[in-house]
Amino acid sequence: TQLLEQSPQFLSIQEGENLTVYCNSSSVFSSLQWYRQEPGEGPVLLVTVVTGGEVKKLKRLTFQFGDARKDSSLHITAAQPGDTGLYLCAGASGTYKYIFGTGTRLKVLA
Amino acid sequence: DTEVTQTPKHLVMGMTNKKSLKCEQHMGHRAMYWYKQKAKKPPELMFVYSYEKLSINESVPSRFSPECPNSSLLNLHLHALQPEDSALYLCASSSKPTTSGGPNYYEQYFGPGTRLTVT
Repeated sequence: TQLLEQSPQFLSIQEGENLTVYCNSSSVFSSLQWYRQEPGEGPVLLVTVVTGGEVKKLKRLTFQFGDARKDSSLHITAAQPGDTGLYLCAGASGTYKYIFGTGTRLKVLA
Repeated sequence: DTEVTQTPKHLVMGMTNKKSLKCEQHMGHRAMYWYKQKAKKPPELMFVYSYEKLSINESVPSRFSPECPNSSLLNLHLHALQPEDSALYLCASSSKPTTSGGPNYYEQYFGPGTRLTVT
């Protein structure tokens, strides 16, 4: 069974701080996606990483895919209250099937 | 445009009711998904349709019945549900394979969800 463990589960920080969220598995994924979800809404796709070692930047967010394509990280610089939400990673497992991570709930205090 | 729409936004139904959830996308995506999400948990895959054919059923109880009338629409028919089926039901669609010089990959786009309460 493929599992994606995220850490930390919860994170409460002050505005302006930096943070990193981790997504780890013992399985290899052909691609991995990161989403942010707000309460009562659907997840919003942030980025897809495909190549081992790949780094992608989206404004203050930096995403990295591990060399072996088993893990990924999301780093947020100078967090803002608008970054608050549930962050989910999802690994592609075969055609059309995605395995979701356990989630990281982030709260950024003003 | 990466919009997936879902109706209704909220639904309250009794255990003997029959209701349907609807999902629509006009992005030309050929794969569509139903997920169930309980509070404070990640989404759990229920069904996948590929080219309007059911390709994945994650051992979902028969009281949930999916239907894909055409490439833009996906329905989830509900009958004789239990209170534990109360959850956020998410629809998603998936783009065509994108190749970046490596493996093909698909990107999923989610709708806003239907909050279902079974009483």
